[in-house]
Amino acid sequence: DADVTQTPRNRITKTGKRIMLECSQTKGHDRMYWYRQDPGLGLRLIYYSFDVKDINKGEISDGYSVSRQAQAKFSLSLESAIPNQTALYFCATSDLTANYGYTFGSGTRLTVV
Amino acid sequence: AQTVTQSQPEMSVQEAETVTLSCTYDTSESDYYLFWYKQPPSRQMILVIRQEAYKQQNATENRFSVNFQKAAKSFSLKISDSQLGDAAMYFCAYRSPNTGNQFYFGTGTSLTVIP
Repeated sequence: DADVTQTPRNRITKTGKRIMLECSQTKGHDRMYWYRQDPGLGLRLIYYSFDVKDINKGEISDGYSVSRQAQAKFSLSLESAIPNQTALYFCATSDLTANYGYTFGSGTRLTVV
Repeated sequence: AQTVTQSQPEMSVQEAETVTLSCTYDTSESDYYLFWYKQPPSRQMILVIRQEAYKQQNATENRFSVNFQKAAKSFSLKISDSQLGDAAMYFCAYRSPNTGNQFYFGTGTSLTVIP
């Protein structure tokens, strides 16, 4: 099994719908992150969490919310999806220092129509 | 916020040749790390190489090496003996010691390997 698992792998949803992207990890890392990738923009941070009780907004948190249900689980929600939220979403984890980089999930490609 | 700039949206290289991907960054911090990630068509993000800012020696990993110029805030990736499997999007990333060890990513360089 992958160290960081994202579900679903692909999803098409309609404008205005609520959608949740899920992430679970077996790395034992405390820190988890949600990034969004758009062509020509690279990856941008949406939210990050240091532990279950510590959640922080990233660069582009508007329109998104998160929940850290357990050390191993970090979900991202779009309360009312809009077309410009069409993107590739990555969950990532790291240890305390992140000196050795992130461990990424395989991404969720979300299309909002 | 830190900024990471990859000025080459696309690059191409002949198989077995050498290619260099550029990355510059802007920071006032002194203790940071730099990374190159590879994203093949499978879209998985794969760590290629990392560099610690306080180390003057350039990092190497097999055919991959970096040219780290701290004063110039430059961090280029050299791929030697390019292989077809090297074709991918490459992202440069800066790890800030502040802001929760957040990573800042460049916009990516798409590398094509020509047989």
